[in-house]
Amino acid sequence: EPEVTQTPSHQVTQMGQEVILRCVPISNHLYFYWYRQILGQKVEFLVSFYNNEISEKSEIFDDQFSVERPDGSNFTLKIRSTKLEDSAMYFCASSLTLSNQPQHFGDGTRLSIL
Amino acid sequence: SQQGEEDPQALSIQEGENATMNCSYKTSINNLQWYRQNSGRGLVHLILIRSNEREKHSGRLRVTLDTSKKSSSLLITASRAADTASYFCGETSGSRLTFGEGTQLTVNP
Repeated sequence: EPEVTQTPSHQVTQMGQEVILRCVPISNHLYFYWYRQILGQKVEFLVSFYNNEISEKSEIFDDQFSVERPDGSNFTLKIRSTKLEDSAMYFCASSLTLSNQPQHFGDGTRLSIL
Repeated sequence: SQQGEEDPQALSIQEGENATMNCSYKTSINNLQWYRQNSGRGLVHLILIRSNEREKHSGRLRVTLDTSKKSSSLLITASRAADTASYFCGETSGSRLTFGEGTQLTVNP
């Protein structure tokens, strides 16, 4: 069964550094998402992306964050200048369409900011 | 209370018993989705129930939706030790899923 893959599984970065998290969504899916989960907390929506532009973003997704689909397969989340509070699991998801379709999640990237 | 609140927060049962988890939500939803998450892993989609549906089944899973009460329940029948995980409901509004805190289910062999 097709799945969403994320790399790396664990990323350790110094505070203030830029980090790029990578995702390969399911190949025929059109909608892409990023979520994060701080340790012990619930999964929070960051951003949705469709047709090469942001569809919706949360209040968490400030100017430090950006997303990109640089080619036909990858979907990336960039954090420009990381802060300690950015430490979390970051999950990528994709869905075939927007209407009444499940979002399929990857296994996440654990981001640790030192 | 917050959106997508699950109840109970933790549930411990014996293998073979049924497990029921409840979820309340606040917004007008397009659909409601249930997911499970094993420790350190991503969310695995279980069932999607549309706002005009009242009940849905998938294998040992049964989901109900009561839009008048803004609540949903997930029933797992004949539970197995492998069902041990956290279970989340996610309300879909627009393109975003809003999750609650989840129910931690432990099935003891």
